[in-house]
Amino acid sequence: SQQGEEDPQALSIQEGENATMNCSYKTSINNLQWYRQNSGRGLVHLILIRSNEREKHSGRLRVTLDTSKKSSSLLITASRAADTASYFCATGNSGYSTLTFGKGTMLLVSP
Amino acid sequence: GAGVSQSPSNKVTEKGKDVELRCDPISGHTALYWYRQSLGQGLEFLIYFQGNSAPDKSGLPSDRFSAERTGGSVSTLTIQRTQQEDSAVYLCASSLGGAGDPSETQYFGPGTRLLVL
Repeated sequence: SQQGEEDPQALSIQEGENATMNCSYKTSINNLQWYRQNSGRGLVHLILIRSNEREKHSGRLRVTLDTSKKSSSLLITASRAADTASYFCATGNSGYSTLTFGKGTMLLVSP
Repeated sequence: GAGVSQSPSNKVTEKGKDVELRCDPISGHTALYWYRQSLGQGLEFLIYFQGNSAPDKSGLPSDRFSAERTGGSVSTLTIQRTQQEDSAVYLCASSLGGAGDPSETQYFGPGTRLLVL
């Protein structure tokens, strides 16, 4: 399985602090994506990083990918209460029918 | 345009009954996916449709689960003789799929929360 595994399982921080979540996976990938889920409902795509990229930014989000270590990190800077959600990494490989999701990191940002 | 929609939002049923869950993908998206998410867990892949190709049913947990996609658009997931362990949120997603790469960005619906009593 190429399932991603997020670390930590839960993270609690204060508004304004940075939040870092990590993802590890097992096999080679074409890309790695991060999604956010509020209140156990649909997932929202945040960012996609391809296997030949090392870092990508989108607003307050910064994603890194280290294919040699089969790991990725998601950094949310200057967090807000509205960032409270579960964050999932998902790995993509054209040899599989779909993305493979990890179990997620639950982020709580307190005002 | 409109995003992925799913109905019903919530479904409560009795053990042994059949249920049908519906997904309307984004117009023009050729790829459609069903996932299941149990409380506090990640997403479990169920089935994948790509255009007119035979669906990938490798994730369906038992023969009580089936899905179809009519006219390459709307999809229905059917669970027969529901069991309490079927209780979960069922999520549908679609993607362009045009490039034949199933690992591209997926757009999710809000999900159907199923409770089997």
